[in-house]
Amino acid sequence: GQQLNQSPQSMFIQEGEDVSMNCTSSSIFNTWLWYKQDPGEGPVLLIALYKAGELTSNGRLTAQFGITRKDSFLNISASIPSDVGIYFCAGQLSVGNTGKLIFGQGTTLQVKP
Amino acid sequence: DVKVTQSSRYLVKRTGEKVFLECVQDMDHENMFWYRQDPGLGLRLIYFSYDVKMKEKGDIPEGYSVSREKKERFSLILESASTNQTSMYLCASSWGSGGYSYEQYFGPGTRLTVT
Repeated sequence: GQQLNQSPQSMFIQEGEDVSMNCTSSSIFNTWLWYKQDPGEGPVLLIALYKAGELTSNGRLTAQFGITRKDSFLNISASIPSDVGIYFCAGQLSVGNTGKLIFGQGTTLQVKP
Repeated sequence: DVKVTQSSRYLVKRTGEKVFLECVQDMDHENMFWYRQDPGLGLRLIYFSYDVKMKEKGDIPEGYSVSREKKERFSLILESASTNQTSMYLCASSWGSGGYSYEQYFGPGTRLTVT
């Protein structure tokens, strides 16, 4: 089935550093979503993107919907300890759309105070 | 704020038991989804529903069934629980119509252990 390639798999950074992660696919998506999941909790929606080229911010987070509609990235600026968690991208296919999402495997972020 | 609630955070059941996981959303969403999440396998879609009494199989429906009698409630049923169904179960809901879905909002999850 369709897959999303999310990278990096994990990151260990110093507090205050900026973070960048991305997702790519061979398929075209009409929606890109970014979620954060804390241990033992459900994913929380961070940013939703609906148009190719769209750049959207949510506080220190910025995400972009790639022009080719096959990729998206998420940036976190000036990281803080509470940014720790697993970040997932998810895409909704534009062909045969049934509302199903394709998820990336996640990026585990650790922040050293 | 969108709120999706799940009936239990932690559940321990015995092999062969019938298990019901309940999910309720308070935003009048048309679409509801059940996923399971396992280390190394990510999120996998079990079943989804885009209307009351409608259901569609996801990627791993075997061993599960669902029920949606009311718009706000979506139940996942394990007819005869097995140890390989030990997992984190996540419910989600979204706006949409005609099978289209906007962003999905997740519940807190139910950690099910089958012994």
